[in-house]
Amino acid sequence: VQLVESGGGLVQPGGSLRLSCAASGFTWSRYSMNWVRQAPGKGLEWIAYISSAGSAIFYSDSVKGRFTISRDNARDSLFLQMTNLRDEDTGIYYCARDSAPDWYLEFWGQGTLVTVSS
Amino acid sequence: ETVMTQSPASLSVSPGEGVTLSCRASQSISSNLAWYQQKPGQAPRLLIYDASTRATGVPARVSGSGSGTEFTLTISSLQSEDSAVYYCQRYNDWPPWTFGQGTKVEVK
Repeated sequence: VQLVESGGGLVQPGGSLRLSCAASGFTWSRYSMNWVRQAPGKGLEWIAYISSAGSAIFYSDSVKGRFTISRDNARDSLFLQMTNLRDEDTGIYYCARDSAPDWYLEFWGQGTLVTVSS
Repeated sequence: ETVMTQSPASLSVSPGEGVTLSCRASQSISSNLAWYQQKPGQAPRLLIYDASTRATGVPARVSGSGSGTEFTLTISSLQSEDSAVYYCQRYNDWPPWTFGQGTKVEVK
């Protein structure tokens, strides 16, 4: 199993960024996916979930209305569209696969760093 | 929303000693609890799921127990490689999947 995030970088407050997570080594369409972030020196924060078929989506209150999770089951890829970014969105963003049928996070990518700063 | 509270926040132990970390849920989560280990500069790694089942490749000196609202992670015969932050996470019902704030373990 391999999960590789990309798309992080430096963005100004109010700006947008799109993160990607490329998956390999497992049957992509069978598993739900998540985004989890970690602010510098802080703990883990779950922020978004998408079911295997994309029919169920959930967000944390901290990103609801600003972030959009999606997936492309033809390209084994996960995305996170982030808009109206704030300073407090700075951190490492991890994609994580669940264990199907349970929801614990069995595999994680190495993360991509997002820095929101003027 | 279920709040997960871990204790202690940090601890320091000598090699060969054991530790027990605590995780408490604000309401019952049955056995739907996972533990993760995160070493500096690395992604989290799954250690325990269903409160007491070791993930693939996790040594037998790592064990989890509990159900309902009280859970523990026990690591015996600590080695320097066990220095890390340990997080619990609930995954019952639907999201949000809440994590505890973490316990930092230093082996020196």
